Amino acid sequence: DADVTQTPRNRITKTGKRIMLECSQTKGHDRMYWYRQDPGLGLRLIYYSFDVKDINKGEISDGYSVSRQAQAKFSLSLESAIPNQTALYFCATSARIQGGNRPGELFFGEGSRLTVL
Amino acid sequence: AQSVAQPEDQVNVAEGNPLTVKCTYSVSGNPYLFWYVQYPNRGLQFLLKYITGDNLVKGSYGFEAEFNKSQTSFHLKKPSALVSDSALYFCAVRDRGRTGGFKTIFGAGTRLFVKA
Repeated sequence: DADVTQTPRNRITKTGKRIMLECSQTKGHDRMYWYRQDPGLGLRLIYYSFDVKDINKGEISDGYSVSRQAQAKFSLSLESAIPNQTALYFCATSARIQGGNRPGELFFGEGSRLTVL
Repeated sequence: AQSVAQPEDQVNVAEGNPLTVKCTYSVSGNPYLFWYVQYPNRGLQFLLKYITGDNLVKGSYGFEAEFNKSQTSFHLKKPSALVSDSALYFCAVRDRGRTGGFKTIFGAGTRLFVKA
C-alpha cells in the first residue's frame, strides 16, 4: 500500500461545483502539503500544515481551502471550481527533523488529476 | 524570497553518455537544495539533497549533484545515462514558512530524454 494516498485519482467536474481532494498518510509525518502542477510551471504550493492546528497559505491559495482532520489526513477543497483550476494536484508529507533546522525530503502521493469544464 | 531556476526545458542525451541537468538558486541564508524526479503518471520521488558538507552529493539511481556556492548552482549529473532515466526532473529549495517551519519551492522542471 502507498504511504501517501490521494483520492480521487481522476475527476471531471463542471464550473461552479464544489470539489474535495483527500489525502491520507501512513508515514507518521507531522507536515503535509498540497501542490498544484501545471506544464511549464513546476509545482506551486497551495497550502501547508506543520501540525493539526497549524495551517498556512502557500503561493496560490486563492480559490482553495484545506482541512487537517487528523495528523494523517489533509484535504483540499475547491468551493466553486473554475476551468483554470484544471491541473494535477499532489499531496506530500515530510518529517520534522530533530533540532528543527534541517529540512526533510518530501514524500508524494500519486496525484489527483482534476478537469473543470 | 527563495527561488530556483531550471534554464533548460528539455535535455537530450544518448544512452551511455554523461548527463547534466542545470539548476541555479537564489536564497538568503544557507541554501538547502533538493532534486526530485517524476516518471509518467507518478508522483515526485526524492533523489538527493544538499544540506551542508561536501559539495558533491550522491543520491539514488547513480545520480549526483554538485553544489557551487560562487555560481549559486546545483547541477544534477550522472556519468552514464540510461534510457530509463528519461523523466521530468525538478530542482527545489527550502524556504522558511511563516511559523518557522520549512516549505519547499520547486523549479519549473526539465524533461530529460535519453535516446538508445
